[in-house]
Amino acid sequence: SQQGEEDPQALSIQEGENATMNCSYKTSINNLQWYRQNSGRGLVHLILIRSNEREKHSGRLRVTLDTSKKSSSLLITASRAADTASYFCATDASGSRLTFGEGTQLTVNP
Amino acid sequence: EAQVTQNPRYLITVTGKKLTVTCSQNMNHEYMSWYRQDPGLGLRQIYYSMNVEVTDKGDVPEGYKVSRKEKRNFPLILESPSPNQTSLYFCASSWTGGNSPLHFGNGTRLTVT
Repeated sequence: SQQGEEDPQALSIQEGENATMNCSYKTSINNLQWYRQNSGRGLVHLILIRSNEREKHSGRLRVTLDTSKKSSSLLITASRAADTASYFCATDASGSRLTFGEGTQLTVNP
Repeated sequence: EAQVTQNPRYLITVTGKKLTVTCSQNMNHEYMSWYRQDPGLGLRQIYYSMNVEVTDKGDVPEGYKVSRKEKRNFPLILESPSPNQTSLYFCASSWTGGNSPLHFGNGTRLTVT
């Protein structure tokens, strides 16, 4: 069963602009994670945010979590062509497994 | 280098011919998992293992088997592959399952004709 749903499904921006992707989920969670996938390759972990945290930063990435709305957002600032990839949110509700959404395809045009 | 290694990278086979996709990690992780990725469906978990000799079904376990005899290896076995198992498969590992970041292999693209 899919727990997280990303929005939008696809996003196209110019280099230097900010990109925002959203994730909604259905049940209470222990943590939420964001991953990046370059075409056909393995996913790469970006950020983990726990249910008692509201915001985390890592370089140009900013993740927020609103447990009352069961939603999270990933902001990539000053985007680069190399940020072109699919981005997935994944939720942990049980401690034993991560459930992934369908992803947002981000295209950053030079 | 810390990594999850899957083999083979590409595999084309015929319906009913048993196959095994290997997965090995060198990070001493306790948790390992298999996912399949299909267009429009995201990643769906097939099986996972919290430790040696401990395995559990994920969301789509039908038609698959796994074993965890050693900590580093977690092979995925398709006893009688069918065309609906054509997919991109990923093995992943982490320290503690859902509470820690997953490290993914580079994937195995399987085609069953």
